[in-house]
Amino acid sequence: SSELTQDPAVSVALGQTVRITCQGDSLRVYYASWYQQKPGQAPILVIYGQNHRPSGIPDRFSGSNSGTTASLTIAGTQAEDEADYYCNSRDSSGNHVFGAGTKVTVL
Amino acid sequence: QVQLVESGGGVVRPGRSLRLSCAASGFTFSGYTMHWVRQAPGKGLEWLAVIAYDGSYIFYADSVKGRFTISRDNSKNTVYLQMSNLRGEDAALYYCARRGSDAYNPYFDHWGQGTLVTVSS
Repeated sequence: SSELTQDPAVSVALGQTVRITCQGDSLRVYYASWYQQKPGQAPILVIYGQNHRPSGIPDRFSGSNSGTTASLTIAGTQAEDEADYYCNSRDSSGNHVFGAGTKVTVL
Repeated sequence: QVQLVESGGGVVRPGRSLRLSCAASGFTFSGYTMHWVRQAPGKGLEWLAVIAYDGSYIFYADSVKGRFTISRDNSKNTVYLQMSNLRGEDAALYYCARRGSDAYNPYFDHWGQGTLVTVSS
């Protein structure tokens, strides 16, 4: 079982804000990174570190961290944001681990 | 631009072996730590293995420890994943990914498109 817990699914109305959370004890020590994956495509990095976006990622994506919870927020959600989102960090042994993913549906 | 191209996937019988390759281009490969990640059909991402830029450290997920071996050849800009004693649960799309610059807080800043491994008798 994953040491990072994500809600399986969330829905959001077009143009509204959605927050996806990732919980795990290791998040007290390490920042999470976040990946977007659309059907049939490889994952892409959307947020890393304290709250950094790679080049090309829209500024409607942001990240935050509090205690054992990391969050990915999409403000003004667009239809193209419909995807699976995975968090990643280190586990208790220092190795890498992914959350099980959150499916975001845009209504 | 950064490119990672996996190859070597295919259909293999349980208990057999397979070697995957990931050819890198568009960056100084010898300066980057590399990972393998897999995704079973309809499932989530599973981290498998990491190798330091110079091969000085290697770690594995418990699910593949003792069966899979990660290696690299910096002269060929390629990272490998040797998989042995394959099981049905190893069937997945296998991705290589480049580690970003923060060694303490891990992230994968570039991914390949994956190579598919099917395990079937």
